[in-house]
Amino acid sequence: AQSVTQLDSQVPVFEEAPVELRCNYSSSVSVYLFWYVQYPNQGLQLLLKYLSGSTLVKSINGFEAEFNKSQTSFHLRKPSVHISDTAEYFCAVSDLTGAQKLVFGQGTRLTINP
Amino acid sequence: DVKVTQSSRYLVKRTGEKVFLECVQDMDHENMFWYRQDPGLGLRLIYFSYDVKMKEKGDIPEGYSVSREKKERFSLILESASTNQTSMYLCASSPGDTQYFGPGTRLTVL
Repeated sequence: AQSVTQLDSQVPVFEEAPVELRCNYSSSVSVYLFWYVQYPNQGLQLLLKYLSGSTLVKSINGFEAEFNKSQTSFHLRKPSVHISDTAEYFCAVSDLTGAQKLVFGQGTRLTINP
Repeated sequence: DVKVTQSSRYLVKRTGEKVFLECVQDMDHENMFWYRQDPGLGLRLIYFSYDVKMKEKGDIPEGYSVSREKKERFSLILESASTNQTSMYLCASSPGDTQYFGPGTRLTVL
């Protein structure tokens, strides 16, 4: 079984500042890793994912995450945030077989202040 | 683009009512999922289906059932709604490694 821990429930930052949202996971088997974003009153959208290959993955809107197998982490970073990045962010893992059910972390609410 | 639709954005029901939440996907995905989302708990898997008429329990199936008669449609059923089932319900579909989510149904049970 897998588990995911998002270490911060809320992260307030100023606009144009850098941000890191932390995610650690636990699993006895290899996993896929995901970050989803939920804007207010919307469903979840895939932000980025790690399946294999390069451990650094990037999204189209400037976020990136690095898979660190030794530290079982998949932290999300952005060098300069915008007001529109205000949302809740969920880290998730799945195993590689079957229906590939997702196990989610508790979520991190990112608030960008002007 | 993948499109996952849910029948209602907001729903208010009374304790003891039978409640149906419908989810439809238009991408011929094999796998479909129902989650509930509660503050501080993230998303928890209720049931999933990997084929028509096939279903498996997730982490919190108690009080829920599901139906998948057609590949594109996956229904979540609350046989007798209770106040502790007040929550946001999210449906997702997947062809394999990535899940695509609908907009969610916010259910309030009074």
